[in-house]
Amino acid sequence: GENVEQHPSTLSVQEGDSAVIKCTYSDSASNYFPWYKQELGKRPQLIIDIRSNVGEKKDQRIAVTLNKTAKHFSLHITETQPEDSAVYFCAAGTPNFGNEKLTFGTGTRLTIIP
Amino acid sequence: EADIYQTPRYLVIGTGKKITLECSQTMGHDKMYWYQQDPGMELHLIHYSYGVNSTEKGDLSSESTVSRIRTEHFPLTLESARPSHTSQYLCASRGGFVNTIYFGEGSWLTVV
Repeated sequence: GENVEQHPSTLSVQEGDSAVIKCTYSDSASNYFPWYKQELGKRPQLIIDIRSNVGEKKDQRIAVTLNKTAKHFSLHITETQPEDSAVYFCAAGTPNFGNEKLTFGTGTRLTIIP
Repeated sequence: EADIYQTPRYLVIGTGKKITLECSQTMGHDKMYWYQQDPGMELHLIHYSYGVNSTEKGDLSSESTVSRIRTEHFPLTLESARPSHTSQYLCASRGGFVNTIYFGEGSWLTVV
């Protein structure tokens, strides 16, 4: 089955600086890679996703990059703000019929220092 | 508004009690999931379903059971709760064009 590793487990960043979270996956058949943000006491929410036919995707201050050859993908947050403080989860899976499970990484606790 | 609804949101029960956590979704999704999560920690898949009358055990062994008699409803039952069951339980569904997972707000269970 798929195995997703996520690093670092904790990350502290000065407000205004950039944050990068990295994930690697093991199953070369995986072709869908979402990122979730979970604020304290709340549900995980999708913030951005990427499919394997795309190398990079950007949405305002958030971007995700994918390297299929190396089987790793990363979340980049620029100009960080206090509201970016949360736990972030990466995931890998196949969006189509077959193995319908998304495998999640272990999470990164991001703290933005004012 | 299409969403995933979980009840109860917070529950404190005694050891040995039976509890059912309710989950309903109005997303029209076929696939539903239950995750167990300690605060801010990993998401552990404990049960999933591809549709009505389909249930499978997840990656993390759990003493709970699930049923899927209706597409929109995926309840989780603990026959005899123990303190080790204290955790947050997140229901989720998946489907539609984007086909990603959407989570409910969670049920916080404390067994004393």
